[in-house]
Formats: sequence, structure tokens, C-alpha cells
Amino acid sequence: DQQVKQNSPSLSVQEGRISILNCDYTNSMFDYFLWYKKYPAEGPTFLISISSIKDKNEDGRFTVFLNKSAKHLSLHIVPSQPGDSAVYFCAALYNQGGKLIFGQGTELSVKP
Amino acid sequence: DAGVTQSPTHLIKTRGQHVTLRCSPISGHKSVSWYQQVLGQGPQFIFQYYEKEERGRGNFPDRFSARQFPNYSSELNVNALLLGDSALYLCASSRNILRQGRADTQYFGPGTRLTVL
Repeated sequence: DQQVKQNSPSLSVQEGRISILNCDYTNSMFDYFLWYKKYPAEGPTFLISISSIKDKNEDGRFTVFLNKSAKHLSLHIVPSQPGDSAVYFCAALYNQGGKLIFGQGTELSVKP
Repeated sequence: DAGVTQSPTHLIKTRGQHVTLRCSPISGHKSVSWYQQVLGQGPQFIFQYYEKEERGRGNFPDRFSARQFPNYSSELNVNALLLGDSALYLCASSRNILRQGRADTQYFGPGTRLTVL
């Protein structure tokens, strides 16, 4: 039962353009959402987060949008840079027991 | 400051064996969480420990167990290994139990790659 889903395994974008990564969830009990970035041979690193009481959070080139009615969130990266090439995971926090539930990941490739 | 460290880096075991993975959290962090990442999937939550007590458990069989020591380091133990246990095992530390906002300050180690033959 995949409670957090990233339906696009991969995404390829030209340098300077916008990258949009999508994530859907099924559990209404999730109240906090995070995006992580992962390079090979490293653990995931935190990128940006959003509380369920907000619909947008921005940090530099990264913006996360949350649509609670659709149970959908997205990460926008503008402008995309080659160094952004990595696997991106969305995750939802289930406050009971501090469980962090991850999606399957989307591999982003930004081409020069 | 040192980040989260995990040992060993790689490990090869055979079916039926037992394995112990180790994690040292960032200094000052009292919470340790364990995750299993199978190839092509996202990390799956196994346990969270805080102040040496289990505070959360994922949907894993009883073959998986963990503990946290007085210095806040942690061990993950897996008994009766199966081929399906082959994965990257990630440890993450944070100052407190994961709650809204605090989840931003959870830091992951590089993981232990376990291969079961």
C-alpha cells in the first residue's frame, strides 16, 4: 500500500528551464511534507518542506506547492542547473510515532 | 562536526544468517531512525528511537530489532536473513522525536549496503 507516490521515475530538463516534480498521497493524516535530494553513495539531504496549513513554501530556486483537496504536492526548481541532477524523494510525516513515509523517487537529469 | 556515521559500508551475508548494523548520530542528537531502501524504491521507515526507547515502528517483521545505547548510538539487528533483505539501510539522527518542523533537521548517514546471497 503505497501511501506516497511519485509516478514519474525520471525527468529530463534543459539547463535554465523549470523542473516540476510531482507527488501524490492518500492518507489525510499526513500533516507535514518534505522533499529530499539524494546523490549516489550518499544519504538523502533535506531540501524544503511545507506544513499542511500552507499551500506554498519558497526557498531560493525551490518552491513546494501543496493542494490538500487533491492530495498532491509538487516541487518547482527554477532555473534548473546541472548540479540539481539527483534523485528527488517526497516524504510525508505521520505524526504518530514520527514516521516519515517516502515516495519511490524521481531521477532528475538537467542537461547543459 | 562529524555527520551521521554508519558501519560497515558494505556487507555480504548468506540466507539464514544474522546481521548487526551500527549508527552513530550527530553529537547532541538523541533520536535515531532506521530506514530500508530497496533498489528503485524510496526509504521505508523501520524504527525510531529516542532517549533509548522505541518511539515508532514501521511494518517490518519481528526479525528486525534495534536498540539505542546511553551514548545515543544505535544498532539494527536482522535475524534469519532473506534474499529480500538485500537493501541500503539508512540511519538518520535528529535532536528530538520527529514532529512538524523538526523533521527538517533530520540528517541521514550514507547507509550500509547489505547483500544477502
